[in-house]
Amino acid sequence: QKEVEQNSGPLSVPEGAIASLNCTYSDRGSQSFFWYRQYSGKSPELIMFIYSNGDKEDGRFTAQLNKASQYVSLLIRDSQPSDSATYLCAVTRMTTDSWGKLQFGAGTQVVVTP
Amino acid sequence: DAGVTQSPTHLIKTRGQQVTLRCSPKSGHDTVSWYQQALGQGPQFIFQYYEEEERQRGNFPDRFSGHQFPNYSSELNVNALLLGDSALYLCASSGTGGMTYEQYFGPGTRLTVT
Repeated sequence: QKEVEQNSGPLSVPEGAIASLNCTYSDRGSQSFFWYRQYSGKSPELIMFIYSNGDKEDGRFTAQLNKASQYVSLLIRDSQPSDSATYLCAVTRMTTDSWGKLQFGAGTQVVVTP
Repeated sequence: DAGVTQSPTHLIKTRGQQVTLRCSPKSGHDTVSWYQQALGQGPQFIFQYYEEEERQRGNFPDRFSGHQFPNYSSELNVNALLLGDSALYLCASSGTGGMTYEQYFGPGTRLTVT
């Protein structure tokens, strides 16, 4: 079982619609959760982070965390063609045996169609 | 405020050679982590440096080594290059080394081994 799992996609989303991305993780001790956006040929860009159960909103992005279900999601509202990218989920625990080592999923490719 | 910088951008090496990649962290950050990203995969943690010491290491052989300098910049060295070492090498920096939270990536170095 992979430590962090994401649907590989591609997830096709009409322009203006909501894109919903899911991520599950196996380490119940994970404490910090991140979403990175990666355009083709570029490096990952941090777009959201969440540490507590519930929802966190930042502009058109909403991250949702459910530690009991070991599940974190990302919603992108009013999707734009510029949102077309691969979205990477990363998790970590802040302990002396991990020190914030990020565990990444393989990413979900999102394609926003005009 | 300068972000994370890496050099070189691209590198082509022959199997068996050695390579050194460089990273300067974001201003105010003191912790540097290195990741390897193969095509179509999420980044894989190589190691992390804090206070000029390797604090955490992923599942990479001893051919991969690193260093951190007093100004917090870092190098990644790979000896005896294999074809499988071809990847995007990413440096990420974070602050408050005692407990690292958000990690910000540099543009990466694309290494091709022939």
